Amino acid sequence: DAGVTQSPTHLIKTRGQQVTLRCSPKSGHDTVSWYQQALGQGPQFIFQYYEEEERQRGNFPDRFSGHQFPNYSSELNVNALLLGDSALYLCASSLLAGGKETQYFGPGTRLLVL
Amino acid sequence: RKEVEQDPGPFNVPEGATVAFNCTYSNSASQSFFWYRQDCRKEPKLLMSVYSSGNEDGRFTAQLNRASQYISLLIRDSKLSDSATYLCVVNEAGNNRKLIWGLGTSLAVNP
Repeated sequence: DAGVTQSPTHLIKTRGQQVTLRCSPKSGHDTVSWYQQALGQGPQFIFQYYEEEERQRGNFPDRFSGHQFPNYSSELNVNALLLGDSALYLCASSLLAGGKETQYFGPGTRLLVL
Repeated sequence: RKEVEQDPGPFNVPEGATVAFNCTYSNSASQSFFWYRQDCRKEPKLLMSVYSSGNEDGRFTAQLNRASQYISLLIRDSKLSDSATYLCVVNEAGNNRKLIWGLGTSLAVNP
């Protein structure tokens, strides 16, 4: 049973460029949440997708957008990259069942913006 | 006050020691609580969900104090492999599906 997978593992971009990160959830999970984690910080919630729609959003600008596909996989897009977007981007998948939900993380994509 | 606060440490302890971390949260309506462990340059991994009665998993014990709005994690007989950052996670009040993360507490277990 594959866990959460993310691609690519590492990425280097320059300011102003656009980037797309991908996530496949754990088998049986239907919800994908994206987080940004800067060095020395805890994960910061970007948004959450369920039933192919954005259901929750954190305090991130519109440059951050996403998508969820019918197979529950998801993409995170970041436009007009800034130096401050350099971080580890984590995808977590989950399934809400019986009022309980636990998030499981993929290995992350490490983005460096030069 | 931050929504979720943790002592960043680092905590340096010898092998075999008992160490406890506390985490405070700001909103009394929060319902879901977790401890995650994160190794350097790796993703967070679930260590324990925290239940209202407290729960134990081997050397790890988690407790919730709703009145004082804190959760704790106790590690007994610490091992070198316990060295990691421990992240406290609480759901946003009124929103069980959105999680708020602490900055993490760094633990180094020394031989």
